[in-house]
Amino acid sequence: QSVLTQPPSASGTPGQRVTISCSGSSSDIGSNTVNWYQQLPGTAPTFLIYSNNQRPSGVPDRFSGSKSGTSASLAISGLQSEDEADYYCASWHDSLNGWVFGGGTKLTVL
Amino acid sequence: EVQLLESGGGLVQSGGSLRLSCAVSGFTVTSYAISWVRQAPGKGLEWVSSISASGSSTFSADSVKGRFTISRDNPRNTLYLQMNSLRAEDTAVYYCAKDRGALHLGMDVWGQGTTVTVSS
Repeated sequence: QSVLTQPPSASGTPGQRVTISCSGSSSDIGSNTVNWYQQLPGTAPTFLIYSNNQRPSGVPDRFSGSKSGTSASLAISGLQSEDEADYYCASWHDSLNGWVFGGGTKLTVL
Repeated sequence: EVQLLESGGGLVQSGGSLRLSCAVSGFTVTSYAISWVRQAPGKGLEWVSSISASGSSTFSADSVKGRFTISRDNPRNTLYLQMNSLRAEDTAVYYCAKDRGALHLGMDVWGQGTTVTVSS
C-alpha cells in the first residue's frame, strides 16, 4: 500500500481536460513539495512537474500541477493520445526520511 | 548530456547477493543527490535508497534497511547498490535517478533500469 493515494485509473477523450489527485499527510505533502512523473509503456519514468507546479524545460504547458494542504493535483488539458501513460506523484516524507510515491494512475485516452 | 546507465542486474537465488552499478555522465556525483527506485512487475514505483551530494548522508527504505547499501566511487563517477539477503519480493526493475539538487528536490533524470530477478 502506497503512502500517497492516487486513483488507479483516469480517462478522457482527445481535447478534454483531466485531473489526477494525490493525497498525503502533514509529514509528506503537507511539509514538502510535490513532484509528478510520467511513465510511458515500457519506458523509464520522466520528470513532469516539480515544486508543486513547475514544468521542466520541454514539458508542454498542457501539463500543470497544484498543491493545497496535504493534497496535490495534476491537470492535463487538450488531452492527446500520446498522453496515455502511468502518472505518479512523489514527495519527501520527513518521518520516514525518504521519498514516498503514489500508487500510480493509469490514464487512458478514449 | 546528462545520462545514467545501470548495470549488474540478473537472476539470483533467494538469500544471494548482487551489486548494481550506475555510471553517470554529464555531471559529477558529488554535485547532486542520487537515488535508487525500483518497480516490481506490473506494480508502481518504490523508492529504495538515496545518497546526498556530499556523500555524508544516506537514506534507505525500511523494506531494504540492513540488507541494501548505497555507496559511490567519486573518481569513477559511479554509484552502487549492494544488495544482500535477497528475497523474491526484491524482484524488480531498478532505476537510478539524479536529483535536482543536493538532496530531495526531485529526481529529474532517470536511467533506463536494470532487471533483478530473485528466484525462490
